[in-house]
Amino acid sequence: EAQVTQNPRYLITVTGKKLTVTCSQNMNHEYMSWYRQDPGLGLRQIYYSMNVEVTDKGDVPEGYKVSRKEKRNFPLILESPSPNQTSLYFCASSSHASTYTDTQYFGPGTRLTVL
Amino acid sequence: DQQVKQNSPSLSVQEGRISILNCDYTNSMFDYFLWYKKYPAEGPTFLISISSIKDKNEDGRFTVFLNKSAKHLSLHIVPSQPGDSAVYFCAASAGDMRFGAGTRLTVKP
Repeated sequence: EAQVTQNPRYLITVTGKKLTVTCSQNMNHEYMSWYRQDPGLGLRQIYYSMNVEVTDKGDVPEGYKVSRKEKRNFPLILESPSPNQTSLYFCASSSHASTYTDTQYFGPGTRLTVL
Repeated sequence: DQQVKQNSPSLSVQEGRISILNCDYTNSMFDYFLWYKKYPAEGPTFLISISSIKDKNEDGRFTVFLNKSAKHLSLHIVPSQPGDSAVYFCAASAGDMRFGAGTRLTVKP
């Protein structure tokens, strides 16, 4: 089954404790992206990757890091989480290097709470 | 600076009636528009899209209309069904993608 998986689905942590949210897709997609969803703001892009070893900042990259060492995986790293990073996070992938005209497949989401 | 706006946070319609979800955008460089649907505890899923060279695209019960001069698009669902109850996100692309804040649609039996 074609899918995007994220782990963990739920996470409660404390300020400053490093964490990683994993994302994996089994569709051999080149493009992967991370979004956060906040009430009244919709989905905002954090980082994206057009291919292996290629990553770029999205709209709200501050406080986040990513890596793309393999095509299928795109982990999101919070080196020192803060309460304003409490949000619902989605990983997404699409088959081409650009999201232009290409629909994205989303993971189920990771709800993160930073105390 | 929200370039894509969905000004109605919620919409309630009766089963069988038409649902109309609206979306406005400010960036005239956007040339591809999409609608995603999101159920609770799931990621958004693609619903329908339209290129800026068209003004209408239809897929079953779902039709998207684009008015470029007004920088406005809408999603029509006819007839609405209870299973359509979800949050709908409008998205616009000009190389990268911008999303609206979403509209929660409730279809009452």
